[in-house]
Amino acid sequence: AQSVAQPEDQVNVAEGNPLTVKCTYSVSGNPYLFWYVQYPNRGLQFLLKYITGDNLVKGSYGFEAEFNKSQTSFHLKKPSALVSDSALYFCAVTYSSASKIIFGSGTRLSIRP
Amino acid sequence: DAGVIQSPRHEVTEMGQEVTLRCKPISGHDYLFWYRQTMMRGLELLIYFNNNVPIDDSGMPEDRFSAKMPNASFSTLKIQPSEPRDSAVYFCASSPNRGLGETQYFGPGTRLLVL
Repeated sequence: AQSVAQPEDQVNVAEGNPLTVKCTYSVSGNPYLFWYVQYPNRGLQFLLKYITGDNLVKGSYGFEAEFNKSQTSFHLKKPSALVSDSALYFCAVTYSSASKIIFGSGTRLSIRP
Repeated sequence: DAGVIQSPRHEVTEMGQEVTLRCKPISGHDYLFWYRQTMMRGLELLIYFNNNVPIDDSGMPEDRFSAKMPNASFSTLKIQPSEPRDSAVYFCASSPNRGLGETQYFGPGTRLLVL
C-alpha cells in the first residue's frame, strides 16, 4: 500500500540550531514528494518538492530536503532554526500512476528562543 | 491573484442542519480539491475535480456529503444532514494542469462546528 510516515509528532529545537523533520514513504513507481507548512488558523503553504533531478531540493524560508531513494526518505532540514519556523509541517507523496496525493500525519515543530 | 477563497471562515450549526461550504479556486487552475482536517484523522482528501468534473470521490465519508463544481470558478461542499462528528476544518485547494505533480494552493479553510 502507498503511504507516507512522519515518525515524530513533535520536534523541539533551540533557535539557531539545525533542525530536521523526518519523512519516509512507500510507493510503487517514482515518487513525487512535497513539504507543506501550516501556521495557526491558516491553510497549508507549499515549501518545496522533489519531482526528478538533483536529490537536494531547496525551498522557501531557507528550508531544504534531501531525497534518498535507498532509504525511501525525504527529510526536511534547515541549518539554523528561527522562532518563526514554529508550525505544523506535512510531508506528502504522489506518484506517476496515482490518482491522489497522500499526506503524512504532520509534525509540530517548536523553536524555543 | 487573491489566492484560493473560501467562505464562510467559521460556521456553527446544529445537528441535522444543512451546511454549504464554498470555494473559489485560483483563476486558470484546472484541479480543485476538498480536504478535511481533524486532530484524530489528520488531513483527508475528500474529492477532487479536473476541469469541473469529479475524478475521485472515494474519500467522501458518506452520502450525507456531496460536492459540485458548476463552473471553473466555483465549487461547493454540502453536508446534509450535519452531525457533530463532521466538526472539522475543511480546506479547498487548487492546482494548475497536471494536478498531482503540481503544487497545490490551499485556501484558509472553513472551521465547522456542529452542535
